[in-house]
Amino acid sequence: ILNVEQSPQSLHVQEGDSTNFTCSFPSSNFYALHWYRWETAKSPEALFVMTLNGDEKKKGRISATLNTKEGYSYLYIKGSQPEDSATYLCALLIYNQGGKLIFGQGTELSVKP
Amino acid sequence: DSGVTQTPKHLITATGQRVTLRCSPRSGDLSVYWYQQSLDQGLQFLIQYYNGEERAKGNILERFSAQQFPDLHSELNLSSLELGDSALYFCASNRGDTGELFFGEGSRLTVL
Repeated sequence: ILNVEQSPQSLHVQEGDSTNFTCSFPSSNFYALHWYRWETAKSPEALFVMTLNGDEKKKGRISATLNTKEGYSYLYIKGSQPEDSATYLCALLIYNQGGKLIFGQGTELSVKP
Repeated sequence: DSGVTQTPKHLITATGQRVTLRCSPRSGDLSVYWYQQSLDQGLQFLIQYYNGEERAKGNILERFSAQQFPDLHSELNLSSLELGDSALYFCASNRGDTGELFFGEGSRLTVL
């Protein structure tokens, strides 16, 4: 069974704190890595799609890095704001299995004002 | 609005029954994915279609089946429903490459 692991499971920070999450995956199965943001009562929305080892992507205060050789990706949020409160999901597109996109369990972020 | 439409939004039915969930992908997207989110579970991959053909399969139960039609909309059929099938079922679409998924709002199924 292929596992995409995310840590921590949940995180509570104060407004202004910077934070980061980890997504781990079997490097041999890598084809692409997605990050999504999922707010309560809404649908997941894509943040980044990363395909190359060493990729770094940035969108505003949120950035992500990718290491395919060791099988991990980091998501960083600089200066967290209450509106960043959401569950952050990573998903692995598995090599040689069509479009099989497997999601991790997510990291639930709560930012207090 | 992601452009992905799912119907119905909510559905309540009884054990043993059969339901059909419908998904219209974003305009231009050829690929449709189905995911199940049960209580305290993450998004579980069920199945993916690309341009009418099944492309990838996850842990989809034999009681469940899906198809993608020539107009690219997709249906997920759930039969002999059990209490444990109660979940939020998401459809998502993309152009079929490695690109991001666009999710519908989900269909919440309650089996009583």
